Amino acid sequence: QKEVEQNSGPLSVPEGAIASLNCTYSDRGSQSFFWYRQYSGKSPELIMFIYSNGDKEDGRFTAQLNKASQYVSLLIRDSQPSDSATYLCAVNRGDAGKSTFGDGTTLTVKP
Amino acid sequence: GAVVSQHPSRVICKSGTSVKIECRSLDFQATTMFWYRQFPKQSLMLMATSNEGSKATYEQGVEKDKFLINHASLTLSTLTVTSAHPEDSSFYICSAHGTSGGFYNEQFFGPGTRLTVL
Repeated sequence: QKEVEQNSGPLSVPEGAIASLNCTYSDRGSQSFFWYRQYSGKSPELIMFIYSNGDKEDGRFTAQLNKASQYVSLLIRDSQPSDSATYLCAVNRGDAGKSTFGDGTTLTVKP
Repeated sequence: GAVVSQHPSRVICKSGTSVKIECRSLDFQATTMFWYRQFPKQSLMLMATSNEGSKATYEQGVEKDKFLINHASLTLSTLTVTSAHPEDSSFYICSAHGTSGGFYNEQFFGPGTRLTVL
């Protein structure tokens, strides 16, 4: 079992719809949770982080964390074609910055 | 957010030569830097973790004598691919975590270096 699991996709949604990306993790000692977006041929960029249970909203993005279920998700509202990318989930125990990354979910938003 | 630069962005070299890639944190001090490799359509693979002033910690299966890492200052880490071969062709990405650049242990990624070995 991988430490961080994501559906590989591809996940396809129509423009304007809500895209839901899911991630589960195995280490109950994880403290911080991150979502990165990676466009094809580019390096990852941080789009959201969350560290307490519940929802955290930033513009069209909402991160949700449930530590009891070891589950973190990312919702993208009003999806745009420019959101088409691979989304990486990462978790961190809080020690020296080393995070464990999932393999990523590829999202395609169709016009 | 914190800014991390990498140089060069793209390099083509002949088989058997060595290539050095620089990673710099521009607006914060990076106590820890990470080096990743990513092959086309594959996930990030952590190669090593480097801390300023100490030896790098390599992940299992990564040859430390082939991938030399130096983290001599709080803003600069270098990765040298020695005696490069075509199978080393990949996208190399560094990331940094610092005392002032990441409050929740987030990592900030450089733009990556695409290495092609002929």
